[in-house]
Amino acid sequence: QVQLVQSGAEVKKPGASVNVSCKASRDTFTDSAISWVRQAPGQGLEWVGQIIPSFGTENYAQELQGRVTITADESTGIAFLHLSSLRPDDTAVYYCARVAGHLTWNYFDYWGQGTLVTVSS
Amino acid sequence: EIVLTQSPGTLSLSPGERVTLSCRASHSVSSGRLAWYQQKRGQAPRVLIYGASSRATGIPDRFSGSGSGTEFTLTISRLEPEDFAVYYCQQYGSSVSFGGGTKVEIK
Repeated sequence: QVQLVQSGAEVKKPGASVNVSCKASRDTFTDSAISWVRQAPGQGLEWVGQIIPSFGTENYAQELQGRVTITADESTGIAFLHLSSLRPDDTAVYYCARVAGHLTWNYFDYWGQGTLVTVSS
Repeated sequence: EIVLTQSPGTLSLSPGERVTLSCRASHSVSSGRLAWYQQKRGQAPRVLIYGASSRATGIPDRFSGSGSGTEFTLTISRLEPEDFAVYYCQQYGSSVSFGGGTKVEIK
């Protein structure tokens, strides 16, 4: 059974940075990509970026380039989302999700439970 | 970037009705690389359909997907009470993008 377990809610001030973690079973990381998707309150889904832990290959949404970094530690099965220079409109639930199969781009077959990041002064 | 437009924004329906949701892409989605997700309040999305028409594991056969190129459809043949939720399409033919969602609510 694939499980993705995320870290707890965060409250940050504008300009600060946040790290969100996503713990997966070791099998989940093998040759699979992990994506991050966010959802602002009452809004739709927005792809943030992804990493293929086996190769270290990263891709990011253009709107967040320069502020977002995704890393992964294969030995522990943990992926990390780092978002810097936080703004109030970064307030959202952040989900990690496994990319199905062994493709760079594919649908998401398993999701974490979500982590609420609140940016407020 | 491929922009996905879903319509309508909200549908008010009764259990037992048939529903058709639309997802239109700004550019052709290669090889039908389009998925549909269901999201209930307070939960993570769940994949229903991938490859435009393949049902994901455990998804009831009242859910079906069709389409190609720039026009895609999700059909629920007969709405069950647990189907009232928000539905998103996602393309993964060129990077990843999501549609804005369609809310299916109880009439």
